[in-house]
Amino acid sequence: DAGITQSPRHKVTETGTPVTLRCHQTENHRYMYWYRQDPGHGLRLIHYSYGVKDTDKGEVSDGYSVSRSKTEDFLLTLESATSSQTSVYFCAISELRDKNQPQHFGDGTRLSIL
Amino acid sequence: AQSVSQHNHHVILSEAASLELGCNYSYGGTVNLFWYVQYPGQHLQLLLKYFSGDPLVKGIKGFEAEFIKSKFSFNLRKPSVQWSDTAEYFCAVRGLRYSGAGSYQLTFGKGTKLSVIP
Repeated sequence: DAGITQSPRHKVTETGTPVTLRCHQTENHRYMYWYRQDPGHGLRLIHYSYGVKDTDKGEVSDGYSVSRSKTEDFLLTLESATSSQTSVYFCAISELRDKNQPQHFGDGTRLSIL
Repeated sequence: AQSVSQHNHHVILSEAASLELGCNYSYGGTVNLFWYVQYPGQHLQLLLKYFSGDPLVKGIKGFEAEFIKSKFSFNLRKPSVQWSDTAEYFCAVRGLRYSGAGSYQLTFGKGTKLSVIP
């Protein structure tokens, strides 16, 4: 398995509180992604990063921000969590230098907003 | 923009039955195609991928998929399923037109749940 660690693995918090999820990789891959997985929606891209300090929005970026200060870490922040952000969050990494690499996924973070 | 459509939301099969899960994509250019599997409570794992060449791709655990360019399809097949194949299966497409942001984004279908009855 690819060296991807997501933390925390589970979190329960209240509406209006800030939440930060961390994705740490040991593969030195350039690209990192945050997805959310919801029943009936599959995986939807929230934000992605194509290098240190280089990030861009995905399909469902409203209410989320990201930061990448080091190659190995990609943080996802919910500034003020809402119940609609209850979901399972997956981090993924890839290296596209030869355009022949798939994305590899972390184990996920189950986030519940009460 | 690229999109992926998986035809079946939930498929129920008996062990030893044959499996075919449909996947169609929409994209006006060259694509990479993937099937991922997610076992209950686990993360997504790559089953197989198509980049170029032979349109019939073989993956792990006896799965295969056929890329039919004229139909924009990439259906997943397995001749004889086992109870351990119970999982959710996701088709994904990556368009290869350079996005300008340096990333080739992956778009997933909504998934097909497969339940195999012993």
